[in-house]
Amino acid sequence: KAGVTQTPRYLIKTRGQQVTLSCSPISGHRSVSWYQQTPGQGLQFLFEYFSETQRNKGNFPGRFSGRQFSNSRSEMNVSTLELGDSALYLCASSPDRGSSKNYGYTFGSGTRLTVV
Amino acid sequence: QKEVEQDPGPLSVPEGAIVSLNCTYSNSAFQYFMWYRQYSRKGPELLMYTYSSGNKEDGRFTAQVDKSSKYISLFIRDSQPSDSATYLCAMRETGNEKLTFGTGTRLTIIP
Repeated sequence: KAGVTQTPRYLIKTRGQQVTLSCSPISGHRSVSWYQQTPGQGLQFLFEYFSETQRNKGNFPGRFSGRQFSNSRSEMNVSTLELGDSALYLCASSPDRGSSKNYGYTFGSGTRLTVV
Repeated sequence: QKEVEQDPGPLSVPEGAIVSLNCTYSNSAFQYFMWYRQYSRKGPELLMYTYSSGNKEDGRFTAQVDKSSKYISLFIRDSQPSDSATYLCAMRETGNEKLTFGTGTRLTIIP
């Protein structure tokens, strides 16, 4: 069974550019969340998508956006890149959302973004 | 003050020792508690998942949750060099898919 696939694995962008990252969840998983991981702040929640709708958003500026497609694949976009956006961006998928006790979140290996 | 506090370590123990990793939290609405293991250049891997208070055991790993103290623990028995990684605790509220993570504890098992 394939895991969560994130592309690309590595990316170098210039300040002011924009970037799009892609996430393919585990087959059958419908909830996709995005996290930013930095040495100083650790893992921070960006947003969650379910059924093509953003259900929850973290405390990030509007330059960070995302979307989910009908096949549950998700993309996140960062516009007007800043040096501080350099981080590992992680995608996580789960079968469903709600109060279920019986599932966890499976993470991909991430996209390492470097802004120069 | 962060919602979830975790000692960043680093923590070094000899092979075969029992490892104890801990997190404290301040949000009493957290009901779901997880431990993830993250190897260098990889995404976090779910190790243990616990709902509310109590203990859960899976092989060499035991997770404990004490909601009255807002304290969770992960114990690793018979530690192996392959257990060397960063261990992250994570929590969430009922009905909220957002995970709140600790900063992670870097663990090294010395052969």
